[in-house]
Amino acid sequence: DTAVSQTPKYLVTQMGNDKSIKCEQNLGHDTMYWYKQDSKKFLKIMFSYNNKELIINETVPNRFSPKSPDKAHLNLHINSLELGDSAVYFCASSPMTSGGVKNIQYFGAGTRLSVL
Amino acid sequence: TQLLEQSPQFLSIQEGENLTVYCNSSSVFSSLQWYRQEPGEGPVLLVTVVTGGEVKKLKRLTFQFGDARKDSSLHITAAQTGDTGLYLCAGAPGATNKLIFGTGTLLAVQP
Repeated sequence: DTAVSQTPKYLVTQMGNDKSIKCEQNLGHDTMYWYKQDSKKFLKIMFSYNNKELIINETVPNRFSPKSPDKAHLNLHINSLELGDSAVYFCASSPMTSGGVKNIQYFGAGTRLSVL
Repeated sequence: TQLLEQSPQFLSIQEGENLTVYCNSSSVFSSLQWYRQEPGEGPVLLVTVVTGGEVKKLKRLTFQFGDARKDSSLHITAAQTGDTGLYLCAGAPGATNKLIFGTGTLLAVQP
């Protein structure tokens, strides 16, 4: 069983479209995250949810809207896609809400988004 | 802004060689983690170091946390082709669940 699964794995779309990426974890973790990895492999946090509540919101355009229907799911909706949104988006989960040794992140396999 | 700079950025070596990857910052971290990411996959945790000066060994991999908890190193002995991947350090700034990831080191081990 995959611990953190995200769909789709690949997403190719036109500029201006709206798209969603879904993520589910079966690890029983309370905290979930969205990361963006750019073409230089730099991994940066976008959002974090703890038990359906938004706790981290980095400087991300308003076109990106996360939604957590329950603590096992965290989806990412992107409006009006731009060329610069092309990247690999990773979902992750962790067992702790407040820093420390056990803040280990378990990552999904990523969604490669290409905006044409 | 807290930054974690990794060096080298790219490393291509022959099987059997030793190598060291560095992760440096001007900020103090409460803990530091190392991840390895293979193509088409997400990062996978290798180790967490917590105490300044701590050394941890994982088979041929040796991890060290700097005394001041601002830097870390990863040493691989007798590299194998299976060690190929992107190595990422990640620091926990304090009492949050946020991780700051390093700039990454792409390692290629040639047979």
